[in-house]
Amino acid sequence: GQQVMQIPQYQHVQEGEDFTTYCNSSTTLSNIQWYKQRPGGHPVFLIQLVKSGEVKKQKRLTFQFGEAKKNSSLHITATQTTDVGTYFCAGRPSGNTGKLIFGQGTTLQVKP
Amino acid sequence: NAGVTQTPKFRVLKTGQSMTLLCAQDMNHEYMYWYRQDPGMGLRLIHYSVGEGTTAKGEVPDGYNVSRLKKQNFLLGLESAAPSQTSVYFCASSYEWGLRRETQYFGPGTRLLVL
Repeated sequence: GQQVMQIPQYQHVQEGEDFTTYCNSSTTLSNIQWYKQRPGGHPVFLIQLVKSGEVKKQKRLTFQFGEAKKNSSLHITATQTTDVGTYFCAGRPSGNTGKLIFGQGTTLQVKP
Repeated sequence: NAGVTQTPKFRVLKTGQSMTLLCAQDMNHEYMYWYRQDPGMGLRLIHYSVGEGTTAKGEVPDGYNVSRLKKQNFLLGLESAAPSQTSVYFCASSYEWGLRRETQYFGPGTRLLVL
């Protein structure tokens, strides 16, 4: 079936280091969303990308949608302890009736 | 404006018992979803609804039933709980899909332990 794979599963970084998580789909996506879940919390929407090759920034976070609309990445510059949590990508396959398929998530730990 | 609320927050069941999880949203969203979250598995869609009176199966529907009698409420039922249903359950809602208003708003979750 349709899958969205996310790597790495875990990442430990020193505060101030950069962090990147990658999302790859087995099929073309009409759009991709990113969510952040703090420990013990619930997923919170960060951003949605729709266009091929789209790049969006939110302060230290940079989101990219691949040219083929099958992959995406989230890059955090100079991580802070407030960045700790699990980051999920979620894609909507093109032509699908509308269900989002979530990646397994990347859990980020930041050492102060 | 409470957003999405879930009841209960935590529950312990014995194998074979039944229960209903309640999700309520006050954003007048058309679409509602039930997910389960297990370590290393991400969020898996159980059932979803595209409007009052409608429901549809998601990725992992077996062992669960749902109902959407009112637009603001989405109920998830476990008729005969099994240990494999131990998980964290999240409800979510959204305006619509197919357009740019697909953001899903999640509830705080229900932690279910089946012994």
